[in-house]
Amino acid sequence: AQSVSQHNHHVILSEAASLELGCNYSYGGTVNLFWYVQYPGQHLQLLLKYFSGDPLVKGIKGFEAEFIKSKFSFNLRKPSVQWSDTAEYFCAVIRSSNTGKLIFGQGTTLQVKP
Amino acid sequence: GAVVSQHPSWVICKSGTSVKIECRSLDFQATTMFWYRQFPKQSLMLMATSNEGSKATYEQGVEKDKFLINHASLTLSTLTVTSAHPEDSSFYICSAGKVGRSSYNEQFFGPGTRLTVL
Repeated sequence: AQSVSQHNHHVILSEAASLELGCNYSYGGTVNLFWYVQYPGQHLQLLLKYFSGDPLVKGIKGFEAEFIKSKFSFNLRKPSVQWSDTAEYFCAVIRSSNTGKLIFGQGTTLQVKP
Repeated sequence: GAVVSQHPSWVICKSGTSVKIECRSLDFQATTMFWYRQFPKQSLMLMATSNEGSKATYEQGVEKDKFLINHASLTLSTLTVTSAHPEDSSFYICSAGKVGRSSYNEQFFGPGTRLTVL
């Protein structure tokens, strides 16, 4: 089935460690890609998005993601995490042939230990 | 900014009653609004797509007679859970795309509504 898959369900890191969260999708054709973050008790916020152009996109709070078309991947990275990055992270895809429907991955819980 | 609000933020109701949840775009007009359901520790599942002035499009497996959606204006969409049962207890989230900009671009999410059916 066509889907969005996040490899890591729960990640625990110490402050200053580097972060990489995996995201793969299985749709063919053109897609728009997103990473959203949900801090405890808060609503979803957009971290970054990719539509076209430079496959390395930079988002807020020091996050970046790289679109690798051949691997159908859009992994999220941050060189040095902070305790305040503790949150749920969701990868999402919109297929350009679609009606704007976001398809979400399962989510990754990131816990950063101070 | 692009702020989306939801009301109520939480609601507890008895089994068999109906509950209405409002989703408003506060500082922009939204051609399309989306309704999601999120179970604890799980991802968001799209329930339906709501276009202003037309009937909502429901995802497979979502009962349109149980989850009534109305999108009467460019700033308001409502989700009514009819004859709610405990299994309808969940976190319901709406999102909105701006008029004049494709929803491909970005959706703005509301804070969600926690529904508990006793």
